[in-house]
Amino acid sequence: GDSVTQMEGPVTLSEEAFLTINCTYTATGYPSLFWYVQYPGEGLQLLLKATKADDKGSNKGFEATYRKETTSFHLEKGSVQVSDSAVYFCALSDRGRGGSEKLVFGKGTKLTVNP
Amino acid sequence: ETGVTQSPTHLIKTRGQQVTLRCSSQSGHNTVSWYQQALGQGPQFIFQYYREEENGRGNFPPRFSGLQFPNYSSELNVNALELDDSALYLCASSLRGSDEQYFGPGTRLTVT
Repeated sequence: GDSVTQMEGPVTLSEEAFLTINCTYTATGYPSLFWYVQYPGEGLQLLLKATKADDKGSNKGFEATYRKETTSFHLEKGSVQVSDSAVYFCALSDRGRGGSEKLVFGKGTKLTVNP
Repeated sequence: ETGVTQSPTHLIKTRGQQVTLRCSSQSGHNTVSWYQQALGQGPQFIFQYYREEENGRGNFPPRFSGLQFPNYSSELNVNALELDDSALYLCASSLRGSDEQYFGPGTRLTVT
């Protein structure tokens, strides 16, 4: 079945450092790809998405490009802030029979940004 | 616009008991999905409901069941609780045909 593998953490950076979190996927079709963020004690928030090859999703300074040739969707940010400390999940959409749409997640990468 | 809400926030149950978790969809959404997130792991898909019927299921046993109501709110029921059922249970709502799902804050279930 479809799966997502993402870089395991934890990742610790200083404020204003460059961030990359790697994500690769395996899928039989052409899924949409997502990054979700989970702040401590909260549910998941959709950070960005891309729906087809070469699409770039972006939000709040974060970016990720859908690379079909390398089956990757790496998350990047040029200058992280303390408030970016959270767990980041890469995910893909998997459409099943009957039109159900489920998300398949990676294990998450915990990011800590120090002042 | 009201977001996805879940209740209760926290719950402690004993092995063998039954539990019901509740979810209210974001306004305008007609599809609800439930996920289980074990500590330190990514969420795992349990099932999805549309038009009050189960519309897709992950690799979970039948003791995990659900309901969707005409107002699109939903319940997740788990019977014969096991220690491994301890997790954060997340509800997500969406519009049928859309691949974007919006999550509630979750219910933290502890089974002792």
